[in-house]
Amino acid sequence: AQSVAQPEDQVNVAEGNPLTVKCTYSVSGNPYLFWYVQYPNRGLQFLLKYITGDNLVKGSYGFEAEFNKSQTSFHLKKPSALVSDSALYFCAVRAAFTSGNTPLVFGKGTRLSVIA
Amino acid sequence: GAVVSQHPSRVICKSGTSVKIECRSLDFQATTMFWYRQFPKQSLMLMATSNEGSKATYEQGVEKDKFLINHASLTLSTLTVTSAHPEDSSFYICSAPGTGLISTEAFFGQGTRLTVV
Repeated sequence: AQSVAQPEDQVNVAEGNPLTVKCTYSVSGNPYLFWYVQYPNRGLQFLLKYITGDNLVKGSYGFEAEFNKSQTSFHLKKPSALVSDSALYFCAVRAAFTSGNTPLVFGKGTRLSVIA
Repeated sequence: GAVVSQHPSRVICKSGTSVKIECRSLDFQATTMFWYRQFPKQSLMLMATSNEGSKATYEQGVEKDKFLINHASLTLSTLTVTSAHPEDSSFYICSAPGTGLISTEAFFGQGTRLTVV
């Protein structure tokens, strides 16, 4: 069975400081990994994904994530946080080479609060 | 890019009535649509998977007679909450997998906030 763990319910960071939102996963075989962001009463917006290739993935709005197979992690990072980054962030996984008709499994989400 | 349009974004209904939520894929064909439910400060829980032209597959614990799903065309899937009760109040989100070059991605509707009074 697939699962995703986001160990932090809440992450607080000062504007301008680097931020990290943690994610670890469990899946049979290789993973496809995703990060989504959700603003209040809105659907999920895609940030970035890891499918194959370079372990460092760059996505929207200056976010990046590093796939670490040995640690089964896919932490989301940004060098300099903005107040507008404050939102709920979800990590998701599904097994590689499964069709798109296989639903993603989500972590419970991490609320990021960037303080001016 | 691929867009999934979900309506309504917010609905308030009386207990005992039914509410229909629509999700449309605007620029691609969605043979599959996932329906999720999100409780406050919690993750997305998969409720069911709808497939165009066939019956939906429901996750364990989800009442199929209460949450009616129809996927009559390649661009439209609907979720009807029948005989709604206050405990059905939640945020509902649909999602469709991409096709072709974007088949590894999933695209989400804007979500529907349902409040049953």
